[in-house]
Amino acid sequence: QSVLTQPPSVSGTPGQRVTISCSGSNSNIGNKPVNWFQQLPGAAPKLLIFSNTKRASGVSDRFSGSKSDTSASLAISGLQSEDEAVYYCSVWDDTLTGRLIGGGTKVTVL
Amino acid sequence: DVRLMESGGGLVQPGGSLRLSCAASGFPFENYPMTWVRQAPGKGLEWVASILASGTLKYHAGSVKGRFTISRDNSNNLLFLQMTSLRADDTAVYYCVRERGVPWEPQEDDWGPGILVTVSS
Repeated sequence: QSVLTQPPSVSGTPGQRVTISCSGSNSNIGNKPVNWFQQLPGAAPKLLIFSNTKRASGVSDRFSGSKSDTSASLAISGLQSEDEAVYYCSVWDDTLTGRLIGGGTKVTVL
Repeated sequence: DVRLMESGGGLVQPGGSLRLSCAASGFPFENYPMTWVRQAPGKGLEWVASILASGTLKYHAGSVKGRFTISRDNSNNLLFLQMTSLRADDTAVYYCVRERGVPWEPQEDDWGPGILVTVSS
């Protein structure tokens, strides 16, 4: 079980805004930047957001990241069917001296 | 274009060893940190190990420390993962990842297609 906690699933209708949370602690999210990945069915993961808020090259501005204290969030605005995927947060942990990846959140477009 | 291609996977018995390779092309390999990430069937992602561009510093996940070793050959644009004392819970697709930055502040720009390792008797 990951020490980064994400909801197992979120859903929304087309055009809606959804958010995915990632909860950690002072040894990770509290003082290190968070990245977010998207994994489409049957595909390798793809970097969406790095350093908490920066969009990776080619990523739609419908995706945005934020961080506060020991939690981070990924928001998807104008939800589209192509956004159906699993989303992961990732961050370095100073205590473990290693990288943590959250358990993943499956986004379903209703 | 950046290209990463993993090889060396397959079926291995518990307690056995395997060496994964990742052939890189399309970028100056010696300038980039590299990472291995794995995904057990139907499960989430797990960071396995990272290595700095020079190869001088390496980091391994607690679940593989002492059993797996990341290394690289900058002369031949190759990344390796030597896996020993393999267990059933090491069964996963292993991804090779090109990064920028440092392991604690990475930008995982490019991922290989992944290679399946199955540990079973």
